[in-house]
Formats: sequence, C-alpha cells, structure tokens
Amino acid sequence: NAGVTQTPKFQVLKTGQSMTLQCAQDMNHEYMSWYRQDPGMGLRLIHYSVGAGITDQGEVPNGYNVSRSTTEDFPLRLLSAAPSQTSVYFCASSYSLVGTDTQYFGPGTRLTVL
Amino acid sequence: AQSVSQHNHHVILSEAASLELGCNYSYGGTVNLFWYVQYPGQHLQLLLKYFSGDPLVKGIKGFEAEFIKSKFSFNLRKPSVQWSDTAEYFCAVNALMDTGRRALTFGSGTRLQVQP
Repeated sequence: NAGVTQTPKFQVLKTGQSMTLQCAQDMNHEYMSWYRQDPGMGLRLIHYSVGAGITDQGEVPNGYNVSRSTTEDFPLRLLSAAPSQTSVYFCASSYSLVGTDTQYFGPGTRLTVL
Repeated sequence: AQSVSQHNHHVILSEAASLELGCNYSYGGTVNLFWYVQYPGQHLQLLLKYFSGDPLVKGIKGFEAEFIKSKFSFNLRKPSVQWSDTAEYFCAVNALMDTGRRALTFGSGTRLQVQP
C-alpha cells in the first residue's frame, strides 16, 4: 500500500491564482481530512469527509473548497490564493472516526503564496 | 467548541532526563485521546492512544500517557529521553463537532529538543 499520497510536495503561487492540492489513499478509508500546519498553531482542520459525496467544514474552511467523488480521492481547492494561506497542508485518512481509529497522514504540501 | 491545550510550546532536555508534556482538553462528553509525533522532515505518526479501560496507556519507543478524567488531562511521559526523541509532539482529541459529526482536534504542539 502507498498509504496517503499528496501532490505536489512544494508549490509557489501568486496572490489570486487558483490551484488544487491532491490527496489520495489506497486503504479504503471512509474518513479523510485536510489540515494546515502553521508555526505555534499546530494543525487546524480545514475540511473533512466521512465518505464519498459527504463533506463538512472544519475549523478554518474559508478560502478552501473540497469535494469527494470517490472514496480514494479528496482534493483541496484554493480558488483565489492569499498570502495568509501560506502553510504546510496535510491530508489524513482513517477507516472511520468511531472509536480509536488511527489517522494516517500524508507527507504534506508546502505552499507559499506571494 | 472543544479545544485542546498544550501548555509547553518548547522544551529543551538533556539526554536521560525525564519528560512530561501537558495536554488538557475542554469537552464534557466521551473522548478518544491521541498523541502524535512529527520527527524532523517527516509526517505525523501515532505515538499512542486512549479510548477506554486502563487510564495509563503505553505507546511506541517507551512513551506512555495517563488519562485523568477529573482533570481533563492526557499528559505524555517518558522516563529517559534520547536524542532521537527530538520532534514535535501533538495531543489530539476525537470529539463531536458542531455539525454533529466527530472530528479530530489537535493542540498547538510541543517542540522537544533533546541535547546530547
């Protein structure tokens, strides 16, 4: 199993540009989520999904869109990038959130918005 | 809304010193508690977790954590740290969001630096 994969690893955008961060998992996990990691603020939940066709907002959803058309993929879209979105983005998946399912994290995407 | 607090932002220890990292959460219902670790240049991985039973849980690499319900705490401990324990440590709580669905909420993290 490849686990959770994310592309790209690094990205530089100009303010106002759009892009999609890709996330895929091959473990047949129902639950997937996106976090951003900023110094001194830990990981903050952006959006999450409990299954194909179902998404919900997390703690910091503004400026981001998600969709979940398949179990495997959970892309994160930035419609109009802003410098405040400079961060490291992590995708995670787990079988469910019932009980103590372990979250498996991807390697991250380091995004810089100029 | 639920929150997770890690009061130690940066801890510097010498090898063989004992470690205790604090974690407190604000949530009145049933919680599942986790500690994740992020080694330099790597992604997060699970260190240990608690969901029921013995409040003292043991994880990988000699780490343990104690759940104290009355104090809403889940502190991480290790009796003798090694240089290889240098990493960032995150406490996390599986809790109910305002949407009625459960999600994982992380603390702000504690950066541990172990000096040889």
